[in-house]
Amino acid sequence: GAVVSQHPSRVICKSGTSVKIECRSLDFQATTMFWYRQFPKQSLMLMATSNEGSKATYEQGVEKDKFLINHASLTLSTLTVTSAHPEDSSFYICSASRLLYEQYFGPGTRLTVT
Amino acid sequence: GIQVEQSPPDLILQEGANSTLRCNFSDSVNNLQWFHQNPWGQLINLFYIPSGTKQNGRLSATTVATERYSLLYISSSQTTDSGVYFCAVDLGNFGNEKLTFGTGTRLTIIP
Repeated sequence: GAVVSQHPSRVICKSGTSVKIECRSLDFQATTMFWYRQFPKQSLMLMATSNEGSKATYEQGVEKDKFLINHASLTLSTLTVTSAHPEDSSFYICSASRLLYEQYFGPGTRLTVT
Repeated sequence: GIQVEQSPPDLILQEGANSTLRCNFSDSVNNLQWFHQNPWGQLINLFYIPSGTKQNGRLSATTVATERYSLLYISSSQTTDSGVYFCAVDLGNFGNEKLTFGTGTRLTIIP
């Protein structure tokens, strides 16, 4: 149990375009989903916390208008990187919380902006 | 904010060796988890251990909350244990489940 999927696993896009990443909890209902960003050989940095049916809470320094988060149901959250630029290239990982204080992670999405 | 430091940053061992990874945190926490990030980037839950000791096969973990550290033990290492190990903590404020990740330990097991 506690499986989280992400799609796509890898995406290459041109500068100025938008990219949508989906995060799904496959076998449980997630009250909260989280989005993280990880640069090569670095730790995970939380970008935002997403609760179903409400606006996401963004961490300091994360641009709300660039990283749009939608949490439409208890099993799906999406992250849209708008007007992507090469500096947005990174590994994006989502997680879902089933029980209070325990998170399960998706396999990640590697975004390359050319 | 809370600081989470892991040591050592890198560890290279022969297959069959034992290892101890450490996680220090700067404030009281309500939750601590250990993860293994495999070479493909997938984070695998190892332990949810805000306090006490747990064991799962060759892996075990101990958290001493009053002294603000946790240890992850890996015995009889295998090449599949290679990857990055992260601890992550949650301050446990009401409605706040945010995890702050440690700096990570990169483990390489040589055949």
